[in-house]
Amino acid sequence: DSGVTQTPKHLITATGQRVTLRCSPRSGDLSVYWYQQSLDQGLQFLIQYYNGEERAKGNILERFSAQQFPDLHSELNLSSLELGDSALYFCASSVAADTQYFGPGTRLTVL
Amino acid sequence: GDSVTQMEGPVTLSEEAFLTINCTYTATGYPSLFWYVQYPGEGLQLLLKATKADDKGSNKGFEATYRKETTSFHLEKGSVQVSDSAVYFCALNPRGNEKLTFGTGTRLTIIP
Repeated sequence: DSGVTQTPKHLITATGQRVTLRCSPRSGDLSVYWYQQSLDQGLQFLIQYYNGEERAKGNILERFSAQQFPDLHSELNLSSLELGDSALYFCASSVAADTQYFGPGTRLTVL
Repeated sequence: GDSVTQMEGPVTLSEEAFLTINCTYTATGYPSLFWYVQYPGEGLQLLLKATKADDKGSNKGFEATYRKETTSFHLEKGSVQVSDSAVYFCALNPRGNEKLTFGTGTRLTIIP
């Protein structure tokens, strides 16, 4: 158990809908990262937050957004969902060091 | 930009065989290097890491040495078990507290 929690574990929704994925980092970790794992793109970095502020952006679509709250949990919002958004979404957290610990992931299926 | 190239899979070995999964990287400066493992239906688990040249990371019988001269971080295990069947990802973090860049993953299957 990495100490990073993600909910829900599975999510099934329809095209055009909006969903929210939640992540709670390890106790004391200020950085939260979101990654997408898909069969065709592999593991891709989406976005990083550090202590509530956006730190870095990767290949994140405009339909996707995220935030980190004062209690350091983070939410990833995906809107206007398309079939191609079906993937595993991972959250990871780290303290100031470079080692990231991953949560179990949320499997999103868009029908 | 930064990149990681991993040995193409899938790899199938018999139990107790020697394992090598090759990983090479491209990055400016001195990145930290990682191996993560993903067991079926689970998330990514940190297997081992190395933060500077000639460091050797090790865990659960797996080892990898940070080779700056060949920009490599090959994963090895002397005697694999069926329970080692998983997908293995090599990754780098260029300057600490930054995004990880992953290889494509290598699926390993160990047969009894």
